[in-house]
Amino acid sequence: AQTVTQSQPEMSVQEAETVTLSCTYDTSESDYYLFWYKQPPSRQMILVIRQEAYKQQNATENRFSVNFQKAAKSFSLKISDSQLGDAAMYFCAYRSARGTYKYIFGTGTRLKVLA
Amino acid sequence: KAGVTQTPRYLIKTRGQQVTLSCSPISGHRSVSWYQQTPGQGLQFLFEYFSETQRNKGNFPGRFSGRQFSNSRSEMNVSTLELGDSALYLCASSLGDRGDEQFFGPGTRLTVL
Repeated sequence: AQTVTQSQPEMSVQEAETVTLSCTYDTSESDYYLFWYKQPPSRQMILVIRQEAYKQQNATENRFSVNFQKAAKSFSLKISDSQLGDAAMYFCAYRSARGTYKYIFGTGTRLKVLA
Repeated sequence: KAGVTQTPRYLIKTRGQQVTLSCSPISGHRSVSWYQQTPGQGLQFLFEYFSETQRNKGNFPGRFSGRQFSNSRSEMNVSTLELGDSALYLCASSLGDRGDEQFFGPGTRLTVL
């Protein structure tokens, strides 16, 4: 069975600095998708970034980028130039690209941004 | 386009009762997934419905059930409520393909006393 592990329950970063959130996963599959979702306080969860496992190139979305290491089964999220609005819970998620496409989420990392 | 809506937003029940939660997906989305969110446990997948059929199921007891209607709206039912069922229940919709982004609703906060 697939698992997703986020080993950092909480992280802090100074405004305008860079922070990296860690995520590791375990799977025997070769074809899958990885996601980072953001859940701001009292607001709805939204997608931050998506990575297709068969693509070597790391995904980027403005200030957000990932470091995808397929062999190491690692999928970290880097936030550059952190802003106060980045404060949220961040969830790493895995979805199989075959079979039943089940989604598996990590336990989340709470990011605090310090002014 | 309207987002995912969930009703009710808050619910207080007592042990032994049953509850039904509702989710209206984004228009055109055929997949609806349900999650239970509790502090420290993250999001636990309950089940996914696609075109009125349950496509995926998580590791929850049979007290948790769901269904999807022809208009893609979905309901989740929990029978014989337990204190441990207190959680935020999130619904997410998507087009249904494997790499699709899920769009989440605001959730229903269920408190079991």
